[in-house]
Amino acid sequence: EAGVTQSPTHLIKTRGQQATLRCSPISGHTSVYWYQQALGLGLQFLLWYDEGEERNRGNFPPRFSGRQFPNYSSELNVNALELEDSALYLCASSSEIQGTYEQYFGPGTRLTVT
Amino acid sequence: AQSVTQLGSHVSVSEGALVLLRCNYSSSVPPYLFWYVQYPNQGLQLLLKYTTGATLVKGINGFEAEFKKSETSFHLTKPSAHMSDAAEYFCAVTKVNDYKLSFGAGTTVTVRA
Repeated sequence: EAGVTQSPTHLIKTRGQQATLRCSPISGHTSVYWYQQALGLGLQFLLWYDEGEERNRGNFPPRFSGRQFPNYSSELNVNALELEDSALYLCASSSEIQGTYEQYFGPGTRLTVT
Repeated sequence: AQSVTQLGSHVSVSEGALVLLRCNYSSSVPPYLFWYVQYPNQGLQLLLKYTTGATLVKGINGFEAEFKKSETSFHLTKPSAHMSDAAEYFCAVTKVNDYKLSFGAGTTVTVRA
């Protein structure tokens, strides 16, 4: 069974640009979560999508947004990039059918803003 | 609100020695608790979880953890460290109908030959 996949692996942008990160969940999983892992700030919850809807978002500005497609894959968009957006962005998926709340993570996208 | 505290940002153990990583949580309701491991330049891998039932939980790679409600703790142990255990370990908490994970700051484990 294929795990969570993310693309691209690395992304280099300049300040002010927009970045788009993509995530494909495990087959059968309907929930997708995004987390930011920035140096010195740890792992922080960004967004949760389920059945195409945004269900919850963390304490991030509106320039962090995303969507979930009918096939449950997801896209994270970061507008007006700032230097402090440089981080590893992790996507996770889960299936409520299991009822265990466990999330399975992808390898991440390393975003560097220069 | 939920939070997780991992005591010790760095732990160094000898190969074959006990690994003990400490995690304390605060939660207003019964928590669901998890330990994840992250190898360099990789994502997170689930080691084990506690939701309900038995308080001693066994996970992959010989790790186990015990949920102690009275101490609000969920410490991770492994009886005998292996070189391949060198990684960063994260404790995380969530609760019923919450779904998002709140992570501790992480503990980096190094294993000495």
